[in-house]
Amino acid sequence: NAGVTQTPKFQVLKTGQSMTLQCAQDMNHEYMSWYRQDPGMGLRLIHYSVGAGITDQGEVPNGYNVSRSTTEDFPLRLLSAAPSQTSVYFCASSYSRGTRQETQYFGPGTRLLVL
Amino acid sequence: GDSVTQMEGPVTLSEEAFLTINCTYTATGYPSLFWYVQYPGEGLQLLLKATKADDKGSNKGFEATYRKETTSFHLEKGSVQVSDSAVYFCALGGRDYKLSFGAGTTVTVRA
Repeated sequence: NAGVTQTPKFQVLKTGQSMTLQCAQDMNHEYMSWYRQDPGMGLRLIHYSVGAGITDQGEVPNGYNVSRSTTEDFPLRLLSAAPSQTSVYFCASSYSRGTRQETQYFGPGTRLLVL
Repeated sequence: GDSVTQMEGPVTLSEEAFLTINCTYTATGYPSLFWYVQYPGEGLQLLLKATKADDKGSNKGFEATYRKETTSFHLEKGSVQVSDSAVYFCALGGRDYKLSFGAGTTVTVRA
């Protein structure tokens, strides 16, 4: 199993550009989520999904869109990039519908720089 | 809402020293508690977890006990190695499918 994979590893954008961060998992996990990691702030939840066709907002959803058309994939879209979105983005998944006991498995991250 | 507060770093230790990273939480109900570790250039991975009061999680020589009376989940290791250099995150699994993370503690172990 490849686990959770993310592409690209690194991206530079100009303000106003759009892009999609890709996330895929091959563990047949129902629950997937996106976090951003900023210095001194830990990880903050952007959006999450409890199954194909179901998504919901996390703590910091503004400026981001998600969709979940398959169990395997959960892309994150930046509609109009802003310098405040410079961060490291992590995708994670877990087996069941995110019950409080479940371990989450993280991808290697995408480092995004918005100029 | 649910939240986690962990000891700020950075922490620098010599090999074979004792490591403690404090973590306290605020939550309603009965959350699960986790320690995740992030090695340089990698994503987070689970180090250990505890799902109810008085449970002790352990892995790779690290331990943490879920203390409901003090709302704490402190991470300890008796003798650290250079390979333990990483960022450690305390996290809480509460309601609504969400994990709440602490700010992270950077640990550097010197030979």
